[in-house]
Amino acid sequence: EPEVTQTPSHQVTQMGQEVILRCVPISNHLYFYWYRQILGQKVEFLVSFYNNEISEKSEIFDDQFSVERPDGSNFTLKIRSTKLEDSAMYFCASSGTGNSGRAWYEQYFGPGTRLTVT
Amino acid sequence: AQTVTQSQPEMSVQEAETVTLSCTYDTSESNYYLFWYKQPPSRQMILVIRQEAYKQQNATENRFSVNFQKAAKSFSLKISDSQLGDTAMYFCASGLTSQTGANNLFFGTGTRLTVIP
Repeated sequence: EPEVTQTPSHQVTQMGQEVILRCVPISNHLYFYWYRQILGQKVEFLVSFYNNEISEKSEIFDDQFSVERPDGSNFTLKIRSTKLEDSAMYFCASSGTGNSGRAWYEQYFGPGTRLTVT
Repeated sequence: AQTVTQSQPEMSVQEAETVTLSCTYDTSESNYYLFWYKQPPSRQMILVIRQEAYKQQNATENRFSVNFQKAAKSFSLKISDSQLGDTAMYFCASGLTSQTGANNLFFGTGTRLTVIP
């Protein structure tokens, strides 16, 4: 079965630094998402992306965050100036054409990137 | 945004027994989707089962089934013949479809299920 990949698996950064989290969605998918999960809490929607632009974003996704699909395969989340409260697991997900027996709206999740801000 | 509520922070079940996890949601939309995700200690999000709101028939997937009560906005998960590998955090989620077709998920706070041998 195809899978979403994310790199790195764990990123440690100092407060105020910029980080870029990388994701490779399923190749024929059309919709891309970022979610975050602070340790011990629920998974929260950050942003969805379609046709090379943001579809929706949550209140969490402020000016410190940006997303980009720089080429045909990668999907990135950038945090410009990290804060302690940005420490969380960040999940990338994609959905799309409904191949492989899945409905078009079903999201494949990547394994996550654990971001630790010190 | 949609609100999803899971009122059971923790549950346990004996191996081979049946357990039901509760979920309620709040939405003003008519077209939406509901999901149960499993998160084992590895923290990978694994889709367990899905339900389209326009379908009255409850979804089933092997040992997993749902009880979807649209009027009550209730979406519970039943796990039959529980296995040790079912031990995980279970999240209920509601998917709201946007104008672009993106299906943004909103999650509950989760239920930690432990299967006891």
